[in-house]
This record gives sequence, C-alpha cells and structure tokens, in this order.
Amino acid sequence: QVQLQESGPGLVKPSQNLSLTCTVSGGSISSGGYFWNWIRRPAGKGLEWIGRIYTSGSTNYNPSLKSRVTISVDTSKNQFSLKVTSVSAADTAVYYCARGRSIAAHFDHWGQGSLVTVSS
Amino acid sequence: QSVLTQPPSVSGAPGQRVTISCTGSSSNIGTGYDVHWYQQLPGTAPKLLIYGNNNRPSGVPDRFSGSKSGTSASLAITGLQADDEADYYCQSYDNSLSGSVVFGGGTKLTVL
Repeated sequence: QVQLQESGPGLVKPSQNLSLTCTVSGGSISSGGYFWNWIRRPAGKGLEWIGRIYTSGSTNYNPSLKSRVTISVDTSKNQFSLKVTSVSAADTAVYYCARGRSIAAHFDHWGQGSLVTVSS
Repeated sequence: QSVLTQPPSVSGAPGQRVTISCTGSSSNIGTGYDVHWYQQLPGTAPKLLIYGNNNRPSGVPDRFSGSKSGTSASLAITGLQADDEADYYCQSYDNSLSGSVVFGGGTKLTVL
C-alpha cells in the first residue's frame, strides 16, 4: 500500500522561502506512470491545487502561483519536493502531497498534511 | 473565487437524503472531463469518495453516489449519518488554465 508523508518546517518568516518534501513508501515513485502533486488548504478556505510533477521531471503549476513555485523530484530517495518563494501570510496553510493517475484523474493517495505558518 | 461552484453549506436530518452540486463551464466539466469528489473530516486529509463521475472506491458505502450532466455534477448522500458531517469538495480539470486541476470551494455538510 502506497503511503505519502510530508515533512518540513512548520514556521516560515515572511519574504522567506517555504520548502516541503514528500516521501513515498510502499512503491517506487518512478513506476506506474503516476503524477505527483502538491495541494494546500488555507485556514478557513477550500482546497487549492499547487502543481504536479511527472517522474520524467515535467511539471505543471497553478497559474496563480506559477511565478513562485518549483516542484522537483529525487527518484533515488523516492521523494518529491515543493518550494514556494517570497511567502506571505496568505501562504499559511496545510500542505498535502498526493498521487494522481493522470493529469485529469483523481488523487487516490494523500499524505496526512503539514501545517505551515508564515509569521515573523 | 473557485472555478467550480459549490454551495457553501447544506444540511439534513439523520436518515435523509442530501445533494451537493458542482457547477463548472465549457472549459472543464462541460468539455467532458471527469468529476471527482472528496470528503474531508476535521483535522484529516481529504478522502476520495467518488471518482470518474460515478465510481466508488473500495470501502465507500453505496449511500454515496455521483452524477454528471452538461456543465454540472452532483454528489448524493442517502441515509444521512452523524459521521457524514464533513467538508465535501468536487474536482475536475480545466483546459483553459495551463493544464490545471480545479477544485470547488467546498460544501460544509451539517447533520441536524
């Protein structure tokens, strides 16, 4: 059974960079042709898709965040990562990593979520 | 403002049937892209409830069902139970937003 687990700092200062890693266990991140996604839920708001990466390294991002977001993959560690630059309080959210079977498919496995607070 | 529109809240008494709508446009649901539904209980990750418009993953009770028509989709819950109280989200794909996944704003279901 595939499991995903987010990790990273829970507190980031405004204007700094946010970095999170998702570790995949129970299966290889390189097999199966899956897409690996980041999704967030700000407090009091709904889910927002951030972006995805394929194991080839190709990426797609939410146009509203594209200028500040980078997603990368490290197949040797079975991990993929998220970096958001120049964060503000609006980036405070629970961040989830999730697996999708195609670009338009559902997310069948999710991490438990990682709360990131942007505050000085 | 979300690309997919859901009612902010719905409510029903135990045993009743409720529906949650998800309205999109010609660049997402109306083009034929599938709609998926998630249930999110407080403090937990979203759980896949319906995929591909009307398919239930293993373990999801048949009290939950999905449908799609035109530019809209619906989630129906019958035999409402207290532990159905949660936030529900629809999800689809939009071909006008650089290959973006889009979510509805979410619907809070209250069991009276």
